[in-house]
Amino acid sequence: DSGVTQTPKHLITATGQRVTLRCSPRSGDLSVYWYQQSLDQGLQFLIQYYNGEERAKGNILERFSAQQFPDLHSELNLSSLELGDSALYFCASSEGPAGETQYFGPGTRLLVL
Amino acid sequence: AQSVTQPDIHITVSEGASLELRCNYSYGATPYLFWYVQSPGQGLQLLLKYFSGDTLVQGIKGFEAEFKRSQSSFNLRKPSVHWSDAAEYFCAVGPYLSGAGSYQLTFGKGTKLSVIP
Repeated sequence: DSGVTQTPKHLITATGQRVTLRCSPRSGDLSVYWYQQSLDQGLQFLIQYYNGEERAKGNILERFSAQQFPDLHSELNLSSLELGDSALYFCASSEGPAGETQYFGPGTRLLVL
Repeated sequence: AQSVTQPDIHITVSEGASLELRCNYSYGATPYLFWYVQSPGQGLQLLLKYFSGDTLVQGIKGFEAEFKRSQSSFNLRKPSVHWSDAAEYFCAVGPYLSGAGSYQLTFGKGTKLSVIP
């Protein structure tokens, strides 16, 4: 158990809908990272937040957005969902901003029908 | 842009046999290299990382990896595999982005390891 929690574990929705994925980092960690794992693209970095501020951006679509709240939990919002958004979404956390050691949550599996 | 290639999609070894998982990277500067393991239904766990110094890096669970700059490789090894090592293994390269002050990881597609009892 990494100490990173993600909810929900599974999510099934329809195209065009919007969903919110939630992540609670390990106690004491200030950085949160979001990753997407799909069969065709593999594991891709989406975005990082550190202590409430956006720190780094990867291959995140404009339809996706994230935020980190004062209690350090983070939410990833996916809107206008397409079939290709079906994937496993991981959250990771690290103590500081550099992220040389990241602790991953168990993931949220999203299925868009 | 950086990239990571893991040439072997799936490897099967017998329990007790030695293991080597290959990883090749492409990156213009000094790479920061990582190996992660993903057990079924679990998130990724960091096995080891290389930033600088000794090119042979020791990690958790008896794994080690060797950085070879001339071959742009960072292969993962274990002398004797246990059934519990069956999982998917990911190599990653992470340049340090000075503007962001963080490492942005690029992962390979992974190698699935099966262990025969």
